[in-house]
Amino acid sequence: GQNIDQPTEMTATEGAIVQINCTYQTSGFNGLFWYQQHAGEAPTFLSYNVLDGLEEKGRFSSFLSRSKGYSYLLLKELQMKDSASYLCAVPGAGSYQLTFGKGTKLSVIP
Amino acid sequence: EAGVTQFPSHSVIEKGQTVTLRCDPISGHDNLYWYRRVMGKEIKFLLHFVKESKQDESGMPNNRFLAERTGGTYSTLKVQPAELEDSGVYFCASSQGGSIFTDTQYFGPGTRLTVL
Repeated sequence: GQNIDQPTEMTATEGAIVQINCTYQTSGFNGLFWYQQHAGEAPTFLSYNVLDGLEEKGRFSSFLSRSKGYSYLLLKELQMKDSASYLCAVPGAGSYQLTFGKGTKLSVIP
Repeated sequence: EAGVTQFPSHSVIEKGQTVTLRCDPISGHDNLYWYRRVMGKEIKFLLHFVKESKQDESGMPNNRFLAERTGGTYSTLKVQPAELEDSGVYFCASSQGGSIFTDTQYFGPGTRLTVL
């Protein structure tokens, strides 16, 4: 089976940096996805990690440690529009179905 | 390029009625997925089409749910008869297919279903 844990809520200040953690247990590892979801909208693809290390994409970076079953999403220079839920997801072993965490609701305050 | 679209955006029905949700994937995407999020829970997989064939329907909750993808383009998900516990947001996603390591799923905005 697969299990994903992430914090339920986080609050951070505009202009700051925030790190959203995700731990996972999976029977076969095929990478890890991060999605952003604004209320009432579609989850939007942010990043995919399959190898250990940090992947940087502008203000957003994602890190993976396969040995620790751990990933984080790093958001820099926070903007009010970054207030959203951030979803961690892993594909199944030999399967394309994604298993999601419950998501972390990030609130960015002035 | 148009994204994944879903119709309707909201549906309110009574217990025992039938509802049909529609998903139009990104043009050229062979893979189509249905997911569901019930209140307070995580998004959960329902099923996966490759073109018109059901590749994986292990997440379908019971036989009141029927998904089709005739012609390998758009898909429908019918719930008949609807029960209270079917309330939630139904998401559709599509992807190009190919290697599992490079296959990114793109999601639609979802259909919010409320069963009264």
